[in-house]
Amino acid sequence: EPEVTQTPSHQVTQMGQEVILRCVPISNHLYFYWYRQILGQKVEFLVSFYNNEISEKSEIFDDQFSVERPDGSNFTLKIRSTKLEDSAMYFCASIGSPGLTPNFGPGTRLTVL
Amino acid sequence: AQKVTQAQTEISVVEKEDVTLDCVYETRDTTYYLFWYKQPPSGELVFLIRRNSFDEQNEISGRYSWNFQKSTSSFNFTITASQVVDSAVYFCALSEYTGRRALTFGSGTRLQVQP
Repeated sequence: EPEVTQTPSHQVTQMGQEVILRCVPISNHLYFYWYRQILGQKVEFLVSFYNNEISEKSEIFDDQFSVERPDGSNFTLKIRSTKLEDSAMYFCASIGSPGLTPNFGPGTRLTVL
Repeated sequence: AQKVTQAQTEISVVEKEDVTLDCVYETRDTTYYLFWYKQPPSGELVFLIRRNSFDEQNEISGRYSWNFQKSTSSFNFTITASQVVDSAVYFCALSEYTGRRALTFGSGTRLQVQP
């Protein structure tokens, strides 16, 4: 069964650095998402992406964040000038059409020192 | 705006006990989808069930069962004869057909099953 993959599994960075989190959604899916989970808290929606543009974003997704689908397979989340509070697990998800069950990747744990 | 409430922060039971995890939701959409996910200590999100708003049939899958009641906006999850391997954080989530299509998660319930 196809799976969503995410790299790296764990990223450690210094405060103020830029990081790029990578996701490979399921190949025939059209809708892509990033979610964030700060340790011990709930999973929070960041952004959704469809037809090569952002379709929705939460109040968390400010100018520090950007998403891109640079080729036919990857979906990336860039965090500029990381802050300590960006430390979290970041999950990528994809679905074929609205209302279906999202396929979640295993997550990337980001640690900002 | 959509909202999911899981009032139970943590539940501790002894193996073989039955346990029910509560989930209450709010939405203005008439068509929506409800989900339960399990998050074991390893951190991944494991899909358990998806329910459409127009299908109120309760569902049973092995030791797991779900009770969907539109009248009380609840989608509760029961584990029968709990096992140590059931220890995890369980999240209820909602997505809307015309509103926010991304999942809105509850705050989660941590279940500890003692041997």
